[in-house]
Amino acid sequence: AQTVTQSQPEMSVQEAETVTLSCTYDTSESDYYLFWYKQPPSRQMILVIRQEAYKQQNATENRFSVNFQKAAKSFSLKISDSQLGDAAMYFCAYRPYNFNKFYFGSGTKLNVKP
Amino acid sequence: ETGVTQTPRHLVMGMTNKKSLKCEQHLGHNAMYWYKQSAKKPLELMFVYNFKEQTENNSVPSRFSPECPNSSHLFLHLHTLQPEDSALYLCASSSGGERGSSYEQYFGPGTRLTVT
Repeated sequence: AQTVTQSQPEMSVQEAETVTLSCTYDTSESDYYLFWYKQPPSRQMILVIRQEAYKQQNATENRFSVNFQKAAKSFSLKISDSQLGDAAMYFCAYRPYNFNKFYFGSGTKLNVKP
Repeated sequence: ETGVTQTPRHLVMGMTNKKSLKCEQHLGHNAMYWYKQSAKKPLELMFVYNFKEQTENNSVPSRFSPECPNSSHLFLHLHTLQPEDSALYLCASSSGGERGSSYEQYFGPGTRLTVT
């Protein structure tokens, strides 16, 4: 069965610094998708970044980048130049290719200190 | 309206009431989902619909009854709820996930439900 594990329930980072959130997953599939979602307090869950497993190149979206290690089944999120608006719950998610089901980790709460 | 919308945004109901949550997606997706998000608990998948057909029921109590009349609309009918059912209920939608298509999940803002 597919599982997604986020081992850091809460993390803190100083404004303008860099932080890395960890995610590991378990699957026997070779083709799938991975995501990081952000849920600010009392606000909507939005997609931060996505990765297709067949692509070796790590995805990047402005200050957000991932380190995708397929053999290790690891998918970490790096946030550079952290801003106060980055404070939120971050969820890692997995989706098998061409199948409508998503598996979510338990989330990491990120605090950003001014 | 764009994206995924949910109504109402807040709902307070007694344990003997009957109410419904509504979700609508304007993205042309073929799958819709209900999730329950409780404080300090992981996101719980409740139901999945693909092309209006229910494909997943994650052992949800019968006091929650989903309905999907078409690929754009999803309802969650509630009756005789318990206080522990108080939570944020999130609706989401997604597309097929084939190469070259959109494959991520889009979420609505949620309905904050309080059962008294």
